[in-house]
Amino acid sequence: AQSVTQPDIHITVSEGASLELRCNYSYGATPYLFWYVQSPGQGLQLLLKYFSGDTLVQGIKGFEAEFKRSQSSFNLRKPSVHWSDAAEYFCAVRGNKLVFGAGTILRVKS
Amino acid sequence: DADVTQTPRNRITKTGKRIMLECSQTKGHDRMYWYRQDPGLGLRLIYYSFDVKDINKGEISDGYSVSRQAQAKFSLSLESAIPNQTALYFCATSDLPSGSQETQYFGPGTRLLVL
Repeated sequence: AQSVTQPDIHITVSEGASLELRCNYSYGATPYLFWYVQSPGQGLQLLLKYFSGDTLVQGIKGFEAEFKRSQSSFNLRKPSVHWSDAAEYFCAVRGNKLVFGAGTILRVKS
Repeated sequence: DADVTQTPRNRITKTGKRIMLECSQTKGHDRMYWYRQDPGLGLRLIYYSFDVKDINKGEISDGYSVSRQAQAKFSLSLESAIPNQTALYFCATSDLPSGSQETQYFGPGTRLLVL
């Protein structure tokens, strides 16, 4: 069975600073990987996904993620964080079903 | 207009009451899902349906039931609500293009409080 670990429960970054949210997965075969964002009071919005091909994936809102098979990781990055990026971020992996990590809450300080 | 809608958005109920959460979608997808979100646990799958005649239990189906009234509608019921069912509930739909590269799209959520 697949699983997802997001090691950081909370992360605080300054506005304009770079961001990296970590995601590690466990799955025996080639995974399908996703990042979703949940803004306060909102539903989950798909940021980006990886199915195959180029391991660096571009998403919406200036986010990107890199699939590293050797490290079983799919970390989310953004070069310059905006205050509106404050939200909870979920990594998910799909094998025979979609499994979510526990989430990382991002706080942005001005 | 939103592609996946959920009603109600917020609900307070009492222990032992029956409650229904509704989900509608205009995406034309066959697959629909119900999840619950609890702090620190991410999203966990309650039930899912691959078409109108196909209903499957997820990892935490006890205490819940579902009804797929049409391709576009998938309802979740709590037959006798209990306080530990207090959570944020999400409905999702998915496409399934060739190669099984399925992507799920989520509704805005229903926040349920059971007193």
